[in-house]
Amino acid sequence: EPEVTQTPSHQVTQMGQEVILRCVPISNHLYFYWYRQILGQKVEFLVSFYNNEISEKSEIFDDQFSVERPDGSNFTLKIRSTKLEDSAMYFCASMKGGNTEAFFGQGTRLTVV
Amino acid sequence: GESVGLHLPTLSVQEGDNSIINCAYSNSASDYFIWYKQESGKGPQFIIDIRSNMDKRQGQRVTVLLNKTVKHLSLQIAATQPGDSAVYFCAEDFTGANSKLTFGKGITLSVRP
Repeated sequence: EPEVTQTPSHQVTQMGQEVILRCVPISNHLYFYWYRQILGQKVEFLVSFYNNEISEKSEIFDDQFSVERPDGSNFTLKIRSTKLEDSAMYFCASMKGGNTEAFFGQGTRLTVV
Repeated sequence: GESVGLHLPTLSVQEGDNSIINCAYSNSASDYFIWYKQESGKGPQFIIDIRSNMDKRQGQRVTVLLNKTVKHLSLQIAATQPGDSAVYFCAEDFTGANSKLTFGKGITLSVRP
């Protein structure tokens, strides 16, 4: 069964450092997303990406965040200068079409120290 | 403001009993609703979805009910099993073509043997 894969599974970084979280969405999907989940809280939308551009972004997705689809398979989330409050699980998701099932990856646990 | 929320933070049920998990949403423009299950350390896993033109949808051991009049969504799990123990999230999609999911707060389902 096709799945969304994310790497690394766990990333520890120093405050102020840049991190890149990587995702390989399901191959025939067209919509890509990043969500995050602070421990014990609900899943929060960060950004959606369609047709090689950002469709929508939340208030959380400020200038420190960027996304890129550098080739036909990868979808990355970059945090330029990490803060302690960026510590969370980051989930990538992909969707074949609008208003259809979103498939989530296993997540990357980001710990900022 | 717009929100999706769950009525109870935890639910404990006896193995074999039926479980009912409830969710309220506030955006009447939402037209697609999904229930996700999240096991510890994993990403959200799709359970069942329903569109706003339906009141009820059944899957294998699960049923989702949608009451648009009172903006209420419920998930019924028949013959609850230990493997059903997880955090359950309802989510809504109300951005039409852009499609982003807004998640409610999770509810923990604990199945007693």
